[in-house]
Amino acid sequence: GQQLNQSPQSMFIQEGEDVSMNCTSSSIFNTWLWYKQEPGEGPVLLIALYKAGELTSNGRLTAQFGITRKDSFLNISASIPSDVGIYFCAGQGGSEKLVFGKGTKLTVNP
Amino acid sequence: ETGVTQTPRHLVMGMTNKKSLKCEQHLGHNAMYWYKQSAKKPLELMFVYNFKEQTENNSVPSRFSPECPNSSHLFLHLHTLQPEDSALYLCASSHSWGLNTEAFFGQGTRLTVV
Repeated sequence: GQQLNQSPQSMFIQEGEDVSMNCTSSSIFNTWLWYKQEPGEGPVLLIALYKAGELTSNGRLTAQFGITRKDSFLNISASIPSDVGIYFCAGQGGSEKLVFGKGTKLTVNP
Repeated sequence: ETGVTQTPRHLVMGMTNKKSLKCEQHLGHNAMYWYKQSAKKPLELMFVYNFKEQTENNSVPSRFSPECPNSSHLFLHLHTLQPEDSALYLCASSHSWGLNTEAFFGQGTRLTVV
Protein backbone atom coordinates (compact mmCIF):
# COMPACT_ATOMS: atom_id res chain seq x y z
CA GLY A 1 0.00 0.00 0.00
CA GLN A 2 0.92 3.65 -0.10
CA GLN A 3 3.39 4.81 2.51
CA LEU A 4 4.72 8.17 3.55
CA ASN A 5 8.24 8.80 4.79
CA GLN A 6 8.26 11.77 7.14
CA SER A 7 11.48 13.34 8.35
CA PRO A 8 12.99 14.18 10.62
CA GLN A 9 11.50 12.01 13.36
CA SER A 10 12.29 14.64 15.97
CA MET A 11 13.75 18.11 16.21
CA PHE A 12 15.16 20.07 19.13
CA ILE A 13 15.48 23.76 18.37
CA GLN A 14 15.90 27.10 20.09
CA GLU A 15 13.09 29.60 20.22
CA GLY A 16 13.28 31.91 17.24
CA GLU A 17 14.77 29.36 14.86
CA ASP A 18 13.10 28.27 11.65
CA VAL A 19 11.95 24.67 11.21
CA SER A 20 11.58 22.53 8.12
CA MET A 21 10.15 19.05 7.81
CA ASN A 22 9.03 17.00 4.83
CA CYS A 23 7.17 13.98 3.61
CA THR A 24 7.94 11.86 0.59
CA SER A 25 6.11 9.07 -1.12
CA SER A 26 6.93 6.56 -3.82
CA SER A 27 3.52 7.19 -5.39
CA ILE A 28 1.64 10.26 -6.53
CA PHE A 29 -0.73 12.10 -4.23
CA ASN A 30 -3.59 14.44 -5.11
CA THR A 31 -3.93 16.03 -1.69
CA TRP A 32 -1.46 16.84 1.06
CA LEU A 33 -2.54 17.79 4.56
CA TRP A 34 -0.47 18.91 7.52
CA TYR A 35 -1.67 18.38 11.10
CA LYS A 36 -0.33 19.28 14.54
CA GLN A 37 -1.02 17.15 17.60
CA GLU A 38 -0.38 18.34 21.13
CA PRO A 39 -0.15 15.96 24.09
CA GLY A 40 -3.53 14.57 25.09
CA GLU A 41 -5.28 16.08 22.08
CA GLY A 42 -6.33 15.00 18.63
CA PRO A 43 -4.58 16.21 15.45
CA VAL A 44 -5.55 19.69 14.31
CA LEU A 45 -5.52 20.54 10.61
CA LEU A 46 -3.00 23.27 9.80
CA ILE A 47 -2.79 23.47 6.03
CA ALA A 48 -4.42 21.68 3.08
CA LEU A 49 -2.82 21.51 -0.39
CA TYR A 50 -4.57 20.40 -3.56
CA LYS A 51 -2.40 21.37 -6.55
CA ALA A 52 1.15 20.47 -7.51
CA GLY A 53 3.41 23.42 -6.84
CA GLU A 54 0.91 25.07 -4.51
CA LEU A 55 2.44 27.12 -1.72
CA THR A 56 0.13 27.99 1.18
CA SER A 57 0.72 29.91 4.38
CA ASN A 58 -1.06 29.95 7.70
CA GLY A 59 0.58 32.56 9.90
CA ARG A 60 4.17 31.49 10.50
CA LEU A 61 3.55 28.17 8.79
CA THR A 62 4.14 27.58 5.10
CA ALA A 63 3.57 24.32 3.24
CA GLN A 64 4.21 23.33 -0.35
CA PHE A 65 2.84 20.60 -2.59
CA GLY A 66 5.83 19.26 -4.50
CA ILE A 67 5.93 19.56 -8.26
CA THR A 68 6.41 15.80 -8.66
CA ARG A 69 3.30 15.26 -6.47
CA LYS A 70 5.37 12.84 -4.41
CA ASP A 71 6.43 15.17 -1.66
CA SER A 72 5.46 18.07 0.55
CA PHE A 73 7.22 20.19 3.11
CA LEU A 74 6.21 22.30 6.07
CA ASN A 75 8.19 25.28 7.30
CA ILE A 76 7.70 27.09 10.60
CA SER A 77 9.37 30.45 10.88
CA ALA A 78 10.53 32.11 14.10
CA SER A 79 9.47 29.22 16.33
CA ILE A 80 7.92 29.87 19.71
CA PRO A 81 7.43 27.51 22.70
CA SER A 82 3.79 26.82 21.83
CA ASP A 83 4.89 25.29 18.53
CA VAL A 84 5.85 22.11 20.42
CA GLY A 85 3.96 19.04 19.39
CA ILE A 86 3.96 16.34 16.78
CA TYR A 87 3.44 17.37 13.19
CA PHE A 88 1.89 14.86 10.81
CA CYS A 89 1.66 14.89 7.07
CA ALA A 90 -1.17 13.06 5.35
CA GLY A 91 -1.66 12.36 1.70
CA GLN A 92 -4.46 11.14 -0.47
CA GLY A 93 -3.71 9.39 -3.74
CA GLY A 94 -5.82 7.32 -6.06
CA SER A 95 -7.98 5.88 -3.28
CA GLU A 96 -10.10 7.86 -0.86
CA LYS A 97 -7.96 6.86 2.11
CA LEU A 98 -5.73 9.35 3.84
CA VAL A 99 -2.25 7.95 4.45
CA PHE A 100 -0.39 9.40 7.42
CA GLY A 101 3.29 9.84 8.12
CA LYS A 102 4.75 8.79 11.47
CA GLY A 103 5.13 12.37 12.60
CA THR A 104 7.87 14.85 13.47
CA LYS A 105 8.16 15.62 17.17
CA LEU A 106 9.17 19.24 17.69
CA THR A 107 10.70 20.53 20.90
CA VAL A 108 11.36 24.26 21.27
CA ASN A 109 13.72 25.41 23.98
CA PRO A 110 12.96 28.90 25.33
CA GLU B 1 -16.80 23.62 21.74
CA THR B 2 -14.75 21.65 19.24
CA GLY B 3 -16.39 20.40 16.05
CA VAL B 4 -15.78 16.74 16.91
CA THR B 5 -16.36 15.60 20.49
CA GLN B 6 -15.31 12.25 21.91
CA THR B 7 -16.26 10.64 25.21
CA PRO B 8 -14.86 9.40 27.42
CA ARG B 9 -11.43 11.01 27.23
CA HIS B 10 -9.87 8.18 29.21
CA LEU B 11 -10.98 4.58 29.70
CA VAL B 12 -9.47 1.69 31.59
CA MET B 13 -11.10 -1.66 31.03
CA GLY B 14 -10.47 -5.30 31.76
CA MET B 15 -10.23 -7.88 29.05
CA THR B 16 -13.67 -9.26 29.87
CA ASN B 17 -15.44 -5.89 29.95
CA LYS B 18 -17.74 -4.36 27.38
CA LYS B 19 -17.53 -0.63 26.83
CA SER B 20 -18.40 1.89 24.13
CA LEU B 21 -16.68 4.97 22.79
CA LYS B 22 -18.83 7.81 21.56
CA CYS B 23 -18.16 10.46 18.93
CA GLU B 24 -20.35 13.38 17.94
CA GLN B 25 -19.69 15.96 15.25
CA HIS B 26 -21.31 19.36 14.89
CA LEU B 27 -19.85 20.23 11.50
CA GLY B 28 -22.63 18.98 9.26
CA HIS B 29 -20.31 16.37 7.77
CA ASN B 30 -21.47 13.18 6.12
CA ALA B 31 -18.45 10.95 6.69
CA MET B 32 -17.10 9.75 10.03
CA TYR B 33 -14.03 7.69 10.82
CA TRP B 34 -12.37 5.71 13.58
CA TYR B 35 -8.59 5.73 13.75
CA LYS B 36 -6.20 3.96 16.11
CA GLN B 37 -3.05 5.77 17.18
CA SER B 38 -0.29 3.69 18.75
CA ALA B 39 3.16 4.87 19.76
CA LYS B 40 5.74 5.00 16.96
CA LYS B 41 3.19 4.01 14.31
CA PRO B 42 1.23 6.02 11.74
CA LEU B 43 -2.44 6.62 12.32
CA GLU B 44 -4.36 3.48 11.36
CA LEU B 45 -7.74 3.82 9.71
CA MET B 46 -10.22 1.37 11.23
CA PHE B 47 -13.68 2.17 9.92
CA VAL B 48 -15.36 4.66 7.60
CA TYR B 49 -19.02 5.58 7.49
CA ASN B 50 -20.33 7.70 4.64
CA PHE B 51 -23.95 8.84 4.88
CA LYS B 52 -24.42 6.31 7.72
CA GLU B 53 -23.25 3.40 5.56
CA GLN B 54 -20.03 1.57 6.40
CA THR B 55 -17.71 1.91 3.41
CA GLU B 56 -14.45 0.70 4.91
CA ASN B 57 -13.47 -1.94 7.42
CA ASN B 58 -9.72 -2.06 7.44
CA SER B 59 -9.38 -5.68 8.56
CA VAL B 60 -10.27 -4.75 12.11
CA PRO B 61 -10.83 -7.62 14.58
CA SER B 62 -14.45 -8.32 15.43
CA ARG B 63 -13.88 -7.35 19.07
CA PHE B 64 -14.25 -3.80 17.71
CA SER B 65 -17.79 -3.12 16.50
CA PRO B 66 -18.75 0.27 15.04
CA GLU B 67 -22.20 1.77 14.95
CA CYS B 68 -23.40 4.89 13.12
CA PRO B 69 -27.03 5.68 13.94
CA ASN B 70 -26.94 8.99 12.05
CA SER B 71 -24.45 11.25 10.29
CA SER B 72 -23.62 13.10 13.50
CA HIS B 73 -22.92 10.19 15.82
CA LEU B 74 -20.48 7.32 15.74
CA PHE B 75 -19.85 4.63 18.33
CA LEU B 76 -17.16 2.03 18.78
CA HIS B 77 -18.29 -0.92 20.87
CA LEU B 78 -15.50 -2.82 22.58
CA HIS B 79 -15.57 -6.33 24.00
CA THR B 80 -12.98 -8.90 25.07
CA LEU B 81 -10.11 -6.60 24.16
CA GLN B 82 -6.44 -7.48 24.49
CA PRO B 83 -3.70 -5.43 26.17
CA GLU B 84 -2.22 -4.66 22.74
CA ASP B 85 -5.44 -2.81 21.92
CA SER B 86 -4.39 -0.10 24.35
CA ALA B 87 -4.01 3.08 22.28
CA LEU B 88 -5.49 6.48 21.54
CA TYR B 89 -8.70 6.05 19.53
CA LEU B 90 -9.49 9.03 17.38
CA CYS B 91 -12.75 9.90 15.70
CA ALA B 92 -12.75 12.17 12.67
CA SER B 93 -15.27 13.58 10.26
CA SER B 94 -15.19 15.11 6.80
CA HIS B 95 -17.65 16.58 4.37
CA SER B 96 -17.87 13.24 2.59
CA TRP B 97 -15.82 10.17 1.80
CA GLY B 98 -13.87 10.83 -1.34
CA LEU B 99 -11.03 12.78 -2.88
CA ASN B 100 -9.82 16.15 -1.57
CA THR B 101 -10.98 15.19 1.87
CA GLU B 102 -10.06 17.28 4.90
CA ALA B 103 -10.56 15.24 8.05
CA PHE B 104 -11.23 16.96 11.36
CA PHE B 105 -10.37 15.03 14.49
CA GLY B 106 -11.75 14.76 17.98
CA GLN B 107 -9.54 14.85 21.06
CA GLY B 108 -9.44 11.07 21.28
CA THR B 109 -10.13 8.44 23.92
CA ARG B 110 -7.05 7.08 25.66
CA LEU B 111 -7.84 3.40 26.15
CA THR B 112 -5.93 1.14 28.50
CA VAL B 113 -6.75 -2.57 28.56
CA VAL B 114 -5.62 -4.36 31.70
